[in-house]
This record gives sequence, structure tokens and C-alpha cells, in this order.
Amino acid sequence: LAKTTQPISMDSYEGQEVNITCSHNNIATNDYITWYQQFPSQGPRFIIQGYKTKVTNEVASLFIPADRKSSTLSLPRVSLSDTAVYYCLVGDSDNQGGKLIFGQGTELSVKP
Amino acid sequence: EPEVTQTPSHQVTQMGQEVILRCVPISNHLYFYWYRQILGQKVEFLVSFYNNEISEKSEIFDDQFSVERPDGSNFTLKIRSTKLEDSAMYFCASIFRPMNTEAFFGQGTRLTVV
Repeated sequence: LAKTTQPISMDSYEGQEVNITCSHNNIATNDYITWYQQFPSQGPRFIIQGYKTKVTNEVASLFIPADRKSSTLSLPRVSLSDTAVYYCLVGDSDNQGGKLIFGQGTELSVKP
Repeated sequence: EPEVTQTPSHQVTQMGQEVILRCVPISNHLYFYWYRQILGQKVEFLVSFYNNEISEKSEIFDDQFSVERPDGSNFTLKIRSTKLEDSAMYFCASIFRPMNTEAFFGQGTRLTVV
């Protein structure tokens, strides 16, 4: 399993764009990069997943450089409700039976 | 939107008692999981379940733990003799197939062992 490293915490203000970068230097060829969001006392929630280049959905964008050794989750114009812990996960879910290995995550605090 | 349902939302039990945590995964999903999260710590994998049997378990999942899918809808986690350190949030998750698809988590059961 590729180990991931992401900042422990980040602060932002409402309306700003937030970029959270995750390092995964040992990512394998078959590994996908997935981000989850967790609010206090709730289960993690899938945000976005990608393999390379850029993926965008209604919630966020995921930027993955050519070497795939890092990835950046971009949250446009955050609001107070985006305050949560964001987890970067890397793995080949097929070989792992689908289990997800969570790190410490990045605690994002959005201030008014 | 489909959702994973867990009951109860909060359970308080005395040390040494047995508890059963219940989950209703999304109906067409095939793979089921239990995770736990001790307050202030990261989400930890406990066990995965597929085709009516455990496919993988972590070192946390010792003989005190068991899982069962007694019918076509429920997925349960049993802790036979609870310890104080079992106090945590327990999350159930399901996935259609582990081929890079989204995992759906329930809202969790907060277990407090006193």
C-alpha cells in the first residue's frame, strides 16, 4: 500500500479556493487516488477519485501530475460547511478487497 | 441517494457485556466493511466481508469480534465481551465492487463502554 503524507491542518476563509496536496511517492501503476471527507461524528464521504491528469465533479477538482507522486484536491470557494477532515487514499482496491486505509487526514477549518 | 443505515446511533454498555451493532448496506452492493474510529484518532479498518465470509481482517479484529449477514439485508458486528478500549465510533461501509468505485459509509454507532 502506498503511504500518503498530507498536512495535518489548514485554515481558510469563506469564498477562498483551498488546495490540499497529498504526497504518495511510492504509488504503484495500478493505484488510484481517492479523497474522502469526514465531518465530526459522521462517516467518511467520497469526494473524488482519479488516476492521472485532472478530474472535476460538482464538488471538487483533483489534479494529478504526470509522475503521480502527488495529488492536489481543490475546493473552489469554500464555505463554513466545508470545515471537515479530508483524507487522501491511494491503492489498488481490487487487490486489497476494497478495504480503505485511512491516514490522519487534513483538518480544514474555514472561517468567516 | 442510496445510503447505508446503522443502528443504534448510540449504545452504552457495561464492560463485559455483549453488543451487536447493526448495518443495512446498500441493496445491490456485494462487499461490506466495518471500521472504527476512537475519539480524535483516524479511521481504522476492522474487517471486510464478501460472499458470506470474511475476506480480510485487521489485527484489531480478534476473537472477541464477529460479523454476520443473517439475512439478505443486515450486516452485524458483535463484540462478545466489551472492554473500555472498545469505546469508539463504529462505521459500516459497503461497495458494489472493489474496482475503484465509491465506498458508502453509514453514519456510525457511537459505542460507550462503562
